Amino acid sequence: KNEVEQSPQNLTAQEGEFITINCSYSVGISALHWLQQHPGGGIVSLFMLSSGKKKHGRLIATINIQEKHSSLHITASHPRDSAVYICAVKKGYGNKLVFGAGTILRVKS
Amino acid sequence: AAGVIQSPRHLIKEKRETATLKCYPIPRHDTVYWYQQGPGQDPQFLISFYEKMQSDKGSIPDRFSAQQFSDYHSELNMSSLELGDSALYFCASSDYYTGELFFGEGSRLTVL
Repeated sequence: KNEVEQSPQNLTAQEGEFITINCSYSVGISALHWLQQHPGGGIVSLFMLSSGKKKHGRLIATINIQEKHSSLHITASHPRDSAVYICAVKKGYGNKLVFGAGTILRVKS
Repeated sequence: AAGVIQSPRHLIKEKRETATLKCYPIPRHDTVYWYQQGPGQDPQFLISFYEKMQSDKGSIPDRFSAQQFSDYHSELNMSSLELGDSALYFCASSDYYTGELFFGEGSRLTVL
């Protein structure tokens, strides 16, 4: 079993829809990152969480440490949100990031 | 604002050749990470440096080596290249205390 599991693997939404991507992990972590990767492109860090909730524009990320679960929400989705969204956890006190398999999001206009 | 700079952005090499990738972190960031992402795969952690010392090691082959220099830039050296080394190599930097990560655009290595 992977240490970081994301769901769904693929998601197609209509423009304007509310989107949720989930991430569950099975190890102790010091931080959880949500990353965005466009096709053939670089990786952008969206959020780093160790507790609670963060909001940036139309993006909201939450984490429940007890349940070892995090969610990324996109409100009023737009075609430019189409990308791969990756959950990555920083284990313990090391620097290593363990990546989830990513969620491929496609938002249709 | 300055971002993480990687060079070259694209590199084509033959099997058994060597390649060097460079990473220039955000100014005042003291930690550098290297990741390898094969076609259709998740990024895999290779190695990281804090204050010019190796701080963590992942699935980096023995044919690869890396170091961080006094100006905090880092280089990933890859020798005896194999077809399977074809991948996108990402560098990321962070400030040790905040931990927020900033990624470069990646260097795409193609081994023929």
